[in-house]
Amino acid sequence: DIQMTQSPSSMSASLGDTVTINCLASQDIGNYLSWYQQKPGKSPKLMIYGATNLEDGVPSRFSGSRSGSDYSLTINSLGYDDEGIYHCHQYYEYPLTFGSGTKLEIK
Amino acid sequence: QVQLKESGPGLVQPSQTLSLTCTVSGFSLTSNSVSWVRQPPGKGLEWMGAIWSGGSTDYNSALKSRLSISRDTSKSQVFLKMNSLQTEDTAIYFCTRGDLRGYYYVMDAWGQGASVTVSS
Repeated sequence: DIQMTQSPSSMSASLGDTVTINCLASQDIGNYLSWYQQKPGKSPKLMIYGATNLEDGVPSRFSGSRSGSDYSLTINSLGYDDEGIYHCHQYYEYPLTFGSGTKLEIK
Repeated sequence: QVQLKESGPGLVQPSQTLSLTCTVSGFSLTSNSVSWVRQPPGKGLEWMGAIWSGGSTDYNSALKSRLSISRDTSKSQVFLKMNSLQTEDTAIYFCTRGDLRGYYYVMDAWGQGASVTVSS
């Protein structure tokens, strides 16, 4: 199975900050990576697909990038609404797998 | 608008079988896939399996021996059955719609989730 090592597991940042969340794939997954945001008690929401493509309706403050097997989600100009857990997800190979999640707190 | 809703028992006894239903609206099961994803309390997401638009299925190998996913297209329902439940199967169970964005498969709509506790 492809392991997705996500870091950090949790982080705290201030309003207006820029943060980056990382996912390292255990093998090549091309650009077959998505990012999801999950608010407490809610279901995940698709934010980024194809490593770099913004889902419709997602603010342009969110962006995705790739360097080899390292994938990153960057959020600019943090707002309170960005608080939640972010999950990376590979769909290159079965079984589809997720990272362990990053909990983002806004100070 | 696309909607998915999970239903089923909140409590299942150890060694028993879990049966969940996902009722969808706003899209056709013959056009989109549906996956089941679960999340144990305080933990990450685990893809369990999917039923594709043509009716074929794929399962997580870790669960394959216990898991079955089926559907009734006339009722717009997808079913999950998993046997031999243990306490570690306690989780929120989500059904999700699969769709394509160009070459890329996405899970772009999720149900609210069904909480399942395995306990005697």
